[in-house]
Amino acid sequence: DSGVTQTPKHLITATGQRVTLRCSPRSGDLSVYWYQQSLDQGLQFLIHYYNGEERAKGNILERFSAQQFPDLHSELNLSSLELGDSALYFCASSVMTGGYGYTFGSGTRLTVV
Amino acid sequence: GQQVMQIPQYQHVQEGEDFTTYCNSSTTLSNIQWYKQRPGGHPVFLIQLVKSGEVKKQKRLTFQFGEAKKNSSLHITATQTTDVGTYFCAAQGAGYSTLTFGKGTMLLVSP
Repeated sequence: DSGVTQTPKHLITATGQRVTLRCSPRSGDLSVYWYQQSLDQGLQFLIHYYNGEERAKGNILERFSAQQFPDLHSELNLSSLELGDSALYFCASSVMTGGYGYTFGSGTRLTVV
Repeated sequence: GQQVMQIPQYQHVQEGEDFTTYCNSSTTLSNIQWYKQRPGGHPVFLIQLVKSGEVKKQKRLTFQFGEAKKNSSLHITATQTTDVGTYFCAAQGAGYSTLTFGKGTMLLVSP
C-alpha cells in the first residue's frame, strides 16, 4: 500500500458517458497529479493541484476536468467518453510542488465500450 | 514542451547479465527521477538525481546524471528475475515544473 488511494480500481462504461475518478493523497502530501497511461503514449501528465489550487495543466482534453477539495482529495471527471479514452489513470501525490518523488496510487483502469 | 527520450524501448536479458537504460532531455534539467513499474502495478519512485555528474547506487542499481544535466542512465548489474518491469526516467525542468516521463524501458529477465 503506497498510501495513495484511488477508486474505483476498474470502470467499464459506454461511449458518451461521464465518470468520476477519485484520489486520496498520502497523508501530509499537498500536491496531487493525474496521469494517463496507455500502451502507445506512456505516462501522460494531465493536471496538477497543490493545496486546492490548480498549478499546471498538461495535455488534458476539454472534456476532462479535475478539482482538489479542502480535505486534499481530488477527483478527475471525464465526460463524453470515447473509445480512445480507455486507459489506466494514475493519481500521484508529493509533499510539495517540485523536487520530491511522487507516490503513485494503484490506478483506475477505464474501459470505454 | 519538454521532451524526454528513453532508450531502448525493450530489452530481454538472461539472468546474470547487465542492463542499461538511457534517458535524454532536450533541455537542462533541475533534477531527474527514476521509477520502476512492475507488470500490472504502478510506478514506484526509486531515486532522484540533482547534481551535475552525480552517481548514486542502490545495491545492484547505479544511477548517473550527466555533466550537462541533460541525460541520465540506470545500470543494473547481474540482473535477477525480480528486476523485471518497466523503468521510467522522469525529468523536471527549471522552476520545478511537473515531471515529464520518458516512455520507459521494459526489461524482461529470463532465468
